[in-house]
Amino acid sequence: QQQVKQSPQSLIVQKGGISIINCAYENTAFDYFPWYQQFPGKGPALLIAIRPDVSEKKEGRFTISFNKSAKQFSLHIMDSQPGDSATYFCAAKEETSGSRLTFGEGTQLTVNP
Amino acid sequence: DGGITQSPKYLFRKEGQNVTLSCEQNLNHDAMYWYRQDPGQGLRLIYYSQIVNDFQKGDIAEGYSVSREKKESFPLTVTSAQKNPTAFYLCASRSRDYATTRQFFGPGTRLTVL
Repeated sequence: QQQVKQSPQSLIVQKGGISIINCAYENTAFDYFPWYQQFPGKGPALLIAIRPDVSEKKEGRFTISFNKSAKQFSLHIMDSQPGDSATYFCAAKEETSGSRLTFGEGTQLTVNP
Repeated sequence: DGGITQSPKYLFRKEGQNVTLSCEQNLNHDAMYWYRQDPGQGLRLIYYSQIVNDFQKGDIAEGYSVSREKKESFPLTVTSAQKNPTAFYLCASRSRDYATTRQFFGPGTRLTVL
């Protein structure tokens, strides 16, 4: 049972454009929502994360928007660069689960020069 | 140089053989995790351990086994009972004192069953 649904599966944008990746969740007990970035052949690395008590968090070109009532959150990459080309995973953690993360299916982002 | 190391980077196994994947961390983290990654399916949790000598099954534990005899080490054995073991395996760790529960990942081991 997939508790975190991610879309799109793949995304192609031009350099300088905005990349938007969306995630939806079902479990209202989730209390932490990170985004991970993974380059080919490497392990994922934390990019940015948010807790449900705020609606937006921004770090440089990366912004998470969070809609608690809709149970959705999204990653926005402003001024996308070819170096941003990677696979992005959203995830969610339930407070009582021993800090287990449930991951979305991943989005392969390609930024064309 | 602190972090998580996984070895080997590539591993080939014949059907019916058990194989052990290594995961070591020098971050002094209490919790460690094993994930399996397949194309289009994200990361799925196999096993996790929050303290030494204790571990719990994740979502896809069948055909796998682990041990946690030392804080810095969390090896994963892929047994012959695992029906489709070819995948990219990722180890992660986390400090229980870190409020944001950030998990740090190793570089992964790609296992191919021949």
